[in-house]
Amino acid sequence: GDSVTQMEGPVTLSEEAFLTINCTYTATGYPSLFWYVQYPGEGLQLLLKATKADDKGSNKGFEATYRKETTSFHLEKGSVQVSDSAVYFCALTGGGNKLTFGTGTQLKVEL
Amino acid sequence: NAGVTQTPKFQVLKTGQSMTLQCAQDMNHNSMYWYRQDPGMGLRLIYYSASEGTTDKGEVPNGYNVSRLNKREFSLRLESAAPSQTSVYFCASSPLGQKAEAFFGQGTRLTVV
Repeated sequence: GDSVTQMEGPVTLSEEAFLTINCTYTATGYPSLFWYVQYPGEGLQLLLKATKADDKGSNKGFEATYRKETTSFHLEKGSVQVSDSAVYFCALTGGGNKLTFGTGTQLKVEL
Repeated sequence: NAGVTQTPKFQVLKTGQSMTLQCAQDMNHNSMYWYRQDPGMGLRLIYYSASEGTTDKGEVPNGYNVSRLNKREFSLRLESAAPSQTSVYFCASSPLGQKAEAFFGQGTRLTVV
């Protein structure tokens, strides 16, 4: 079945550092790929998405590119802020409209 | 806009008790989901409903039942709660279609003692 693997955390960075959170997936066909973010005490909200190969999703300075050849969808941001501290989830929607998540990566950004 | 509303927000149960978690969405979405979130495990799908009148098991359905009451509402029932069901439960909804994003409720923190 479908699965998503993302790097374990926590990831601790200094403000203005470069961020990469790795995500790879296994799915049949052509899934859509998503990054969701969860701030403390809240539900998940969509950060960005890409629905076909080579698409780049972007939002709030975050970017991720759908790489079908490497089955990856790595999240990047050039300069993180303290307010970016949260848990980030990579996810995919495959056949049957079922949304499958990775285990989440906690990001802590310090001054 | 309310979006996805879950009730209750917090609940403590004794082992063996039953309860129903309620979820309602006002976005006219076809698909609805129940997930549980545990430390180090991410979100695991319990049940989902691709459209009104249909429900399917997810990754961890044992010990749970669901009802898609109508297009708006999707409830999750624990018939006999166990400590292993201590978790944070999230309901989500999405329009029909693989490209659509899901919208999440604020979660229900359930403790079974």
